[in-house]
Amino acid sequence: GAVVSQHPSWVICKSGTSVKIECRSLDFQATTMFWYRQFPKQSLMLMATSNEGSKATYEQGVEKDKFLINHASLTLSTLTVTSAHPEDSSFYICSARDGANTGELFFGEGSRLTVL
Amino acid sequence: AQKVTQAQTEISVVEKEDVTLDCVYETRDTTYYLFWYKQPPSGELVFLIRRNSFDEQNEISGRYSWNFQKSTSSFNFTITASQVVDSAVYFCALSEGMNNDMRFGAGTRLTVKP
Repeated sequence: GAVVSQHPSWVICKSGTSVKIECRSLDFQATTMFWYRQFPKQSLMLMATSNEGSKATYEQGVEKDKFLINHASLTLSTLTVTSAHPEDSSFYICSARDGANTGELFFGEGSRLTVL
Repeated sequence: AQKVTQAQTEISVVEKEDVTLDCVYETRDTTYYLFWYKQPPSGELVFLIRRNSFDEQNEISGRYSWNFQKSTSSFNFTITASQVVDSAVYFCALSEGMNNDMRFGAGTRLTVKP
């Protein structure tokens, strides 16, 4: 089946630094990618939708200047958490839509961010 | 806007018991897709099933079965003869149309005790 890879799987950083998480579709072209955030023992909350070559659409309450999303190619989207703070510590999961074929959605393995 | 409700926060059963996880959804679209995912402690989402709004047939896959009822807007998931390895958080999700985002329910944490 289709594979979506996220990197890094986990990252620990100091408060105030920026962290970039990559989401790659390995064997299909992803016209649309979605970024989710999951706090401990909670559900996945959609943060933003990114379409290749255009600006991301953010959900209400998500700061676009803090969570920078770039979808520069059909196989790569990046989420940059800028000036990270401890409250940004969370599990970030991306998903990619195989727009050329079934339109099915595939999820990455997730990236666990811990901000000290 | 679509909405998914999983009223059961946590369920605990003993191995070999059957267990049903409830999912109720809300949508104004006539075309939508319902999903179930399993999330083990590792965090990765494991796809279990997708059902579109035009297909109300129930499905069975091994010990897993799903009951989709549009009349009650429900898409319940039953595990027969549960096993310890079934312990995980299970999410029900809804996508309005094939090209739209997916919204998740709050999840149900299932613990199967030996």
